[in-house]
Amino acid sequence: AQSVAQPEDQVNVAEGNPLTVKCTYSVSGNPYLFWYVQYPNRGLQFLLKYITGDNLVKGSYGFEAEFNKSQTSFHLKKPSALVSDSALYFCAVRGGFKTIFGAGTRLFVKA
Amino acid sequence: AAGVIQSPRHLIKEKRETATLKCYPIPRHDTVYWYQQGPGQDPQFLISFYEKMQSDKGSIPDRFSAQQFSDYHSELNMSSLELGDSALYFCASSSSRGGAAGELFFGEGSRLTVL
Repeated sequence: AQSVAQPEDQVNVAEGNPLTVKCTYSVSGNPYLFWYVQYPNRGLQFLLKYITGDNLVKGSYGFEAEFNKSQTSFHLKKPSALVSDSALYFCAVRGGFKTIFGAGTRLFVKA
Repeated sequence: AAGVIQSPRHLIKEKRETATLKCYPIPRHDTVYWYQQGPGQDPQFLISFYEKMQSDKGSIPDRFSAQQFSDYHSELNMSSLELGDSALYFCASSSSRGGAAGELFFGEGSRLTVL
């Protein structure tokens, strides 16, 4: 069975500092991994995905994620956080016609 | 660009009533998904349809049913509503041309409140 875990309920970072939101996964077979962002009372928005190839994946709004097979991790990163990045971030794994989401990590970026 | 359209955006029902949510996927997307998100929770997968056939099933209660129609829109029917059904219901769509790794495009959700 596919699953993802987000060990942090909340991440706090100062504007301009780098941010990392952690995700680990458990899959059988090739992992198809995703990051989505959700703003209050809105639908989830796709940020980036890893299918195969380069372990560093670049996505929307300056976000990137690093796939690490040995550590089964897919951490979301951004070199310089913005206040507007404050939102709920979900890591997800795709298996067949089902996408399973992690519990979510709330990111607070303080000015 | 066209996005996933959900209606209604807000719905208030009494216990034991029925409700129907509608979803219009992005044009040429052949797969539709339904998710339920409770307050402060992650989206829980309910059910998906590919080319109008049910493709996968998650934690959808027996009181709920769904289908995808010939024009690819989908409806989620909920009967005998309970207080615990109060949640945000999201529809998402994707294209199988992205293969198994196609990302989901979400609608803005339908907020159901059961009183």
